[in-house]
Amino acid sequence: AQKITQTQPGMFVQEKEAVTLDCTYDTSDPSYGLFWYKQPSSGEMIFLIYQGSYDQQNATEGRYSLNFQKARKSANLVISASQLGDSAMYFCAMRDGDDKIIFGKGTRLHILP
Amino acid sequence: DVKVTQSSRYLVKRTGEKVFLECVQDMDHENMFWYRQDPGLGLRLIYFSYDVKMKEKGDIPEGYSVSREKKERFSLILESASTNQTSMYLCASSPLARGLTDTQYFGPGTRLTVL
Repeated sequence: AQKITQTQPGMFVQEKEAVTLDCTYDTSDPSYGLFWYKQPSSGEMIFLIYQGSYDQQNATEGRYSLNFQKARKSANLVISASQLGDSAMYFCAMRDGDDKIIFGKGTRLHILP
Repeated sequence: DVKVTQSSRYLVKRTGEKVFLECVQDMDHENMFWYRQDPGLGLRLIYFSYDVKMKEKGDIPEGYSVSREKKERFSLILESASTNQTSMYLCASSPLARGLTDTQYFGPGTRLTVL
């Protein structure tokens, strides 16, 4: 069965430091996609970055990058030079062949000034 | 820009009431989804729909029903609200998957409290 695991319920990071949010996944399908979403206190889910299982390079979007280690079934989100506005809930998610996406339980990130 | 709107940001209802949560998307997406979000549990799929008048149960459909009479609108119905349905409800839409890259687009959420 599909599964997404985020082991860090909460994290505190000093502003301007880099931060890594952990995500591991489990699927038997060789073809899958991995997503990260940000949810600020306002509640809306914001799509950040996508990584396909066959992509040769790690995905990057501005300050966001995805550290994809396929053999370890790991898809960690890295935020460089963190900002106060990065304080939010972050969800890792996966789709493996149908229209549904399954989500992890999330990590709440607090950026300290 | 894709826009997904939900009828209310905050809603307070009493136990036993029938509750309607409305979701509208303006991007002609085939797929629409209803999730509930609870602390420590992440997002859990309640129901989804691939097309008009079509619905599929998600992981936690008990106590809920849905309606999709028009492509742009997907309604979540709590037939008889209970206190354990107090939660944040998120609606999402996505185009019919032609690959794995299509993300879901979310509405702002409805925070429902059942007293």
